[in-house]
Amino acid sequence: GQSLEQPSEVTAVEGAIVQINCTYQTSGFYGLSWYQQHDGGAPTFLSYNALDGLEETGRFSSFLSRSDSYGYLLLQELQMKDSASYFCAVRDLGAAGNKLTFGGGTRVLVKP
Amino acid sequence: ETGVTQTPRHLVMGMTNKKSLKCEQHLGHNAMYWYKQSAKKPLELMFVYSLEERVENNSVPSRFSPECPNSSHLFLHLHTLQPEDSALYLCASSQSSSGRTSYEQYFGPGTRLTVT
Repeated sequence: GQSLEQPSEVTAVEGAIVQINCTYQTSGFYGLSWYQQHDGGAPTFLSYNALDGLEETGRFSSFLSRSDSYGYLLLQELQMKDSASYFCAVRDLGAAGNKLTFGGGTRVLVKP
Repeated sequence: ETGVTQTPRHLVMGMTNKKSLKCEQHLGHNAMYWYKQSAKKPLELMFVYSLEERVENNSVPSRFSPECPNSSHLFLHLHTLQPEDSALYLCASSQSSSGRTSYEQYFGPGTRLTVT
Protein backbone atom coordinates (compact mmCIF):
# COMPACT_ATOMS: atom_id res chain seq x y z
CA GLY A 1 0.00 0.00 0.00
CA GLN A 2 0.86 3.64 0.13
CA SER A 3 1.72 5.80 3.15
CA LEU A 4 2.89 9.36 3.62
CA GLU A 5 4.32 10.83 6.80
CA GLN A 6 4.42 14.53 7.66
CA PRO A 7 4.53 16.37 10.99
CA SER A 8 1.14 17.15 12.49
CA GLU A 9 1.81 20.72 13.54
CA VAL A 10 4.38 23.51 13.23
CA THR A 11 4.36 26.93 14.91
CA ALA A 12 6.45 29.89 13.75
CA VAL A 13 6.46 33.69 13.84
CA GLU A 14 5.85 36.13 11.02
CA GLY A 15 8.86 36.51 8.76
CA ALA A 16 10.31 33.13 9.69
CA ILE A 17 11.01 30.12 7.47
CA VAL A 18 9.21 26.81 7.89
CA GLN A 19 10.10 23.49 6.27
CA ILE A 20 7.45 20.75 6.14
CA ASN A 21 8.90 17.32 5.44
CA CYS A 22 7.09 14.49 3.74
CA THR A 23 8.32 10.92 3.44
CA TYR A 24 6.45 8.39 1.38
CA GLN A 25 6.19 4.71 0.60
CA THR A 26 4.34 3.84 -2.59
CA SER A 27 4.07 0.97 -5.02
CA GLY A 28 4.63 3.35 -7.92
CA PHE A 29 5.61 6.99 -8.07
CA TYR A 30 4.83 9.69 -10.58
CA GLY A 31 5.34 12.81 -8.51
CA LEU A 32 4.73 14.72 -5.29
CA SER A 33 2.18 17.51 -4.96
CA TRP A 34 1.51 20.00 -2.19
CA TYR A 35 -1.85 21.49 -1.26
CA GLN A 36 -2.88 24.24 1.15
CA GLN A 37 -6.17 24.23 3.05
CA HIS A 38 -7.38 27.07 5.25
CA ASP A 39 -9.87 26.26 8.00
CA GLY A 40 -13.30 25.90 6.43
CA GLY A 41 -11.86 26.15 2.93
CA ALA A 42 -11.09 23.88 0.02
CA PRO A 43 -7.63 22.42 -0.60
CA THR A 44 -5.77 24.45 -3.23
CA PHE A 45 -2.86 23.27 -5.33
CA LEU A 46 0.55 24.77 -4.52
CA SER A 47 3.25 22.85 -6.36
CA TYR A 48 4.35 19.62 -8.02
CA ASN A 49 7.68 17.80 -8.33
CA ALA A 50 8.14 14.90 -10.70
CA LEU A 51 11.94 15.11 -10.85
CA ASP A 52 14.60 15.58 -8.17
CA GLY A 53 15.42 19.10 -7.13
CA LEU A 54 13.93 22.35 -6.00
CA GLU A 55 10.94 24.12 -7.58
CA GLU A 56 10.44 27.73 -6.52
CA THR A 57 7.16 29.62 -6.74
CA GLY A 58 7.37 32.97 -5.01
CA ARG A 59 7.71 32.55 -1.25
CA PHE A 60 7.01 28.82 -1.46
CA SER A 61 9.46 26.19 -2.72
CA SER A 62 9.15 22.43 -2.98
CA PHE A 63 11.92 19.84 -3.08
CA LEU A 64 12.01 16.18 -4.07
CA SER A 65 14.55 13.39 -3.66
CA ARG A 66 13.23 10.24 -5.27
CA SER A 67 16.13 8.10 -4.06
CA ASP A 68 15.24 9.04 -0.46
CA SER A 69 11.45 8.93 -1.00
CA TYR A 70 11.40 12.37 0.56
CA GLY A 71 10.24 15.83 -0.19
CA TYR A 72 9.61 19.10 1.59
CA LEU A 73 7.69 22.32 1.26
CA LEU A 74 9.54 25.47 2.28
CA LEU A 75 7.54 28.50 3.34
CA GLN A 76 9.62 31.69 3.46
CA GLU A 77 8.85 35.16 4.83
CA LEU A 78 5.90 33.74 6.70
CA GLN A 79 2.74 35.83 6.80
CA MET A 80 -0.32 35.48 9.02
CA LYS A 81 -2.35 34.36 6.00
CA ASP A 82 -0.07 31.31 5.68
CA SER A 83 -1.71 29.80 8.78
CA ALA A 84 -3.33 26.73 7.26
CA SER A 85 -2.93 22.99 6.83
CA TYR A 86 -0.50 21.73 4.20
CA PHE A 87 -0.84 18.32 2.59
CA CYS A 88 1.64 16.36 0.54
CA ALA A 89 0.15 13.98 -2.02
CA VAL A 90 1.73 11.27 -4.10
CA ARG A 91 0.57 10.53 -7.61
CA ASP A 92 0.87 6.81 -7.99
CA LEU A 93 -0.48 4.01 -10.11
CA GLY A 94 -3.45 2.79 -8.12
CA ALA A 95 -5.75 0.27 -9.68
CA ALA A 96 -6.25 2.27 -12.85
CA GLY A 97 -3.61 4.98 -12.78
CA ASN A 98 -5.91 7.49 -11.21
CA LYS A 99 -4.94 8.11 -7.62
CA LEU A 100 -3.60 10.89 -5.50
CA THR A 101 -2.81 9.63 -1.99
CA PHE A 102 -2.67 12.38 0.62
CA GLY A 103 -0.68 12.68 3.83
CA GLY A 104 -2.37 13.54 7.11
CA GLY A 105 -1.53 17.23 6.79
CA THR A 106 0.65 19.64 8.73
CA ARG A 107 -1.09 22.45 10.54
CA VAL A 108 1.02 25.62 10.38
CA LEU A 109 0.28 28.31 12.93
CA VAL A 110 1.89 31.71 12.30
CA LYS A 111 2.15 34.01 15.31
CA PRO A 112 2.75 37.78 15.27
CA GLU B 1 -20.26 30.45 -11.40
CA THR B 2 -16.60 29.61 -11.58
CA GLY B 3 -14.43 26.74 -10.40
CA VAL B 4 -16.00 23.83 -8.57
CA THR B 5 -19.25 24.27 -6.68
CA GLN B 6 -20.94 21.92 -4.24
CA THR B 7 -24.43 21.85 -2.78
CA PRO B 8 -25.58 21.73 -0.11
CA ARG B 9 -22.79 23.19 2.01
CA HIS B 10 -24.22 21.66 5.17
CA LEU B 11 -26.45 18.62 5.58
CA VAL B 12 -27.89 16.91 8.64
CA MET B 13 -29.59 13.60 8.02
CA GLY B 14 -30.91 10.67 9.97
CA MET B 15 -29.66 7.15 9.43
CA THR B 16 -32.80 6.17 7.51
CA ASN B 17 -32.81 9.17 5.18
CA LYS B 18 -31.81 9.31 1.52
CA LYS B 19 -30.05 12.40 0.29
CA SER B 20 -27.76 13.44 -2.56
CA LEU B 21 -24.71 15.67 -2.76
CA LYS B 22 -24.15 17.63 -5.94
CA CYS B 23 -20.94 18.85 -7.52
CA GLU B 24 -20.52 20.96 -10.65
CA GLN B 25 -17.30 22.03 -12.32
CA HIS B 26 -17.04 24.99 -14.70
CA LEU B 27 -13.41 24.39 -15.74
CA GLY B 28 -13.86 22.14 -18.76
CA HIS B 29 -12.14 19.26 -17.01
CA ASN B 30 -12.68 15.61 -17.92
CA ALA B 31 -12.13 13.92 -14.55
CA MET B 32 -14.02 14.29 -11.28
CA TYR B 33 -13.42 12.90 -7.80
CA TRP B 34 -15.14 12.40 -4.44
CA TYR B 35 -13.07 12.59 -1.29
CA LYS B 36 -13.95 12.15 2.37
CA GLN B 37 -12.20 14.33 4.97
CA SER B 38 -12.63 13.34 8.61
CA ALA B 39 -11.09 15.04 11.60
CA LYS B 40 -7.46 14.06 12.14
CA LYS B 41 -7.43 11.70 9.15
CA PRO B 42 -5.92 12.11 5.68
CA LEU B 43 -8.08 12.96 2.73
CA GLU B 44 -9.56 9.66 1.54
CA LEU B 45 -10.26 9.11 -2.13
CA MET B 46 -13.68 7.56 -2.65
CA PHE B 47 -14.42 7.56 -6.37
CA VAL B 48 -12.84 8.73 -9.61
CA TYR B 49 -14.66 9.38 -12.87
CA SER B 50 -12.69 9.94 -16.04
CA LEU B 51 -14.63 10.84 -19.18
CA GLU B 52 -17.82 9.98 -17.30
CA GLU B 53 -16.67 6.44 -16.61
CA ARG B 54 -15.92 5.29 -13.08
CA VAL B 55 -12.29 4.26 -13.05
CA GLU B 56 -11.62 3.97 -9.34
CA ASN B 57 -13.70 2.79 -6.41
CA ASN B 58 -11.64 2.88 -3.28
CA SER B 59 -13.47 0.16 -1.32
CA VAL B 60 -16.34 2.43 -0.41
CA PRO B 61 -19.44 0.94 1.28
CA SER B 62 -22.45 0.52 -0.97
CA ARG B 63 -24.45 3.05 1.07
CA PHE B 64 -22.49 5.62 -0.99
CA SER B 65 -23.47 5.59 -4.66
CA PRO B 66 -21.85 7.97 -7.17
CA GLU B 67 -23.33 9.17 -10.42
CA CYS B 68 -21.66 11.13 -13.20
CA PRO B 69 -24.24 12.05 -15.89
CA ASN B 70 -21.76 14.23 -17.81
CA SER B 71 -18.26 15.63 -17.45
CA SER B 72 -19.47 18.71 -15.56
CA HIS B 73 -21.69 17.10 -12.93
CA LEU B 74 -21.09 14.57 -10.20
CA PHE B 75 -23.48 13.30 -7.56
CA LEU B 76 -23.06 11.26 -4.41
CA HIS B 77 -26.24 9.49 -3.37
CA LEU B 78 -26.45 8.63 0.31
CA HIS B 79 -28.71 6.11 2.02
CA THR B 80 -28.82 4.40 5.42
CA LEU B 81 -25.66 6.14 6.57
CA GLN B 82 -23.96 5.59 9.90
CA PRO B 83 -22.83 8.25 12.40
CA GLU B 84 -19.19 7.49 11.50
CA ASP B 85 -19.96 8.73 8.00
CA SER B 86 -20.17 12.28 9.39
CA ALA B 87 -17.38 14.19 7.64
CA LEU B 88 -16.58 16.83 5.04
CA TYR B 89 -17.19 15.48 1.54
CA LEU B 90 -15.06 17.18 -1.08
CA CYS B 91 -15.48 17.09 -4.81
CA ALA B 92 -12.57 17.81 -7.13
CA SER B 93 -11.94 17.98 -10.85
CA SER B 94 -8.89 17.88 -13.10
CA GLN B 95 -7.79 17.53 -16.67
CA SER B 96 -6.74 13.94 -17.17
CA SER B 97 -4.61 12.84 -20.12
CA SER B 98 -4.31 9.21 -21.19
CA GLY B 99 -6.57 8.23 -18.32
CA ARG B 100 -3.96 9.22 -15.74
CA THR B 101 -4.92 11.41 -12.83
CA SER B 102 -3.62 14.94 -12.78
CA TYR B 103 -1.38 16.07 -9.97
CA GLU B 104 -3.29 19.35 -9.97
CA GLN B 105 -6.84 18.95 -8.78
CA TYR B 106 -9.34 21.72 -8.15
CA PHE B 107 -11.50 21.25 -5.09
CA GLY B 108 -14.94 22.50 -4.22
CA PRO B 109 -15.75 23.96 -0.78
CA GLY B 110 -17.21 20.66 0.44
CA THR B 111 -20.43 19.50 2.06
CA ARG B 112 -20.30 19.20 5.85
CA LEU B 113 -22.39 16.09 6.54
CA THR B 114 -23.70 15.16 9.98
CA VAL B 115 -25.47 11.83 10.44
CA THR B 116 -27.65 11.65 13.53
